[in-house]
Amino acid sequence: AQSVTQLDSQVPVFEEAPVELRCNYSSSVSVYLFWYVQYPNQGLQLLLKYLSGSTLVKGINGFEAEFNKSQTSFHLRKPSVHISDTAEYFCAVSDRGYQKVTFGTGTKLQVIP
Amino acid sequence: SQTIHQWPATLVQPVGSPLSLECTVEGTSNPNLYWYRQAAGRGLQLLFYSVGIGQISSEVPQNLSASRPQDRQFILSSKKLLLSDSGFYLCAWNPGGANNSPLHFGNGTRLTVT
Repeated sequence: AQSVTQLDSQVPVFEEAPVELRCNYSSSVSVYLFWYVQYPNQGLQLLLKYLSGSTLVKGINGFEAEFNKSQTSFHLRKPSVHISDTAEYFCAVSDRGYQKVTFGTGTKLQVIP
Repeated sequence: SQTIHQWPATLVQPVGSPLSLECTVEGTSNPNLYWYRQAAGRGLQLLFYSVGIGQISSEVPQNLSASRPQDRQFILSSKKLLLSDSGFYLCAWNPGGANNSPLHFGNGTRLTVT
């Protein structure tokens, strides 16, 4: 079985400040990792994904994430946030060989002007 | 290009009434299809997924059911809604046989059971 833990349910941050959204996962096999963003009353959009190779992955809107196998983490970062980044962010994991994707409980990022 | 359609966008139903939510995908064939429910503070809960016509896997036992009558159509149903069925329902797809492919989501259905 696989699981995802997003430790922070809400993260307030001032505009132009850096932000890190934390994600830890557990799985008995190798995994694929994803971050999605959800704007109010909309579906989810893919921000970035880790499949293999370089542990630092870059996504859309200036976000990046680093896969750390020893710490089973996949934290999302952005060096300078904008008001438009206010949204809910979900970390997700899928076991290689399965179709099922498991999501974390989400982190609401609130950018303060 | 591929698109996913989900309707209705919002729905208010009384307790005990039936439910039918529909999702269709265009521009691809043999997709994997998924139903998720999002409740406040609980993230996304996988309800059902399907890798082909008539093939449905249920993740959580409850009074909901799913069907896939056609390759690109996925329907979520209930015979009698409960108050606890309220939530935001999301349909998603990814290419069949490609389990490293991200999910593509519809815009969701906000269901309120009164």
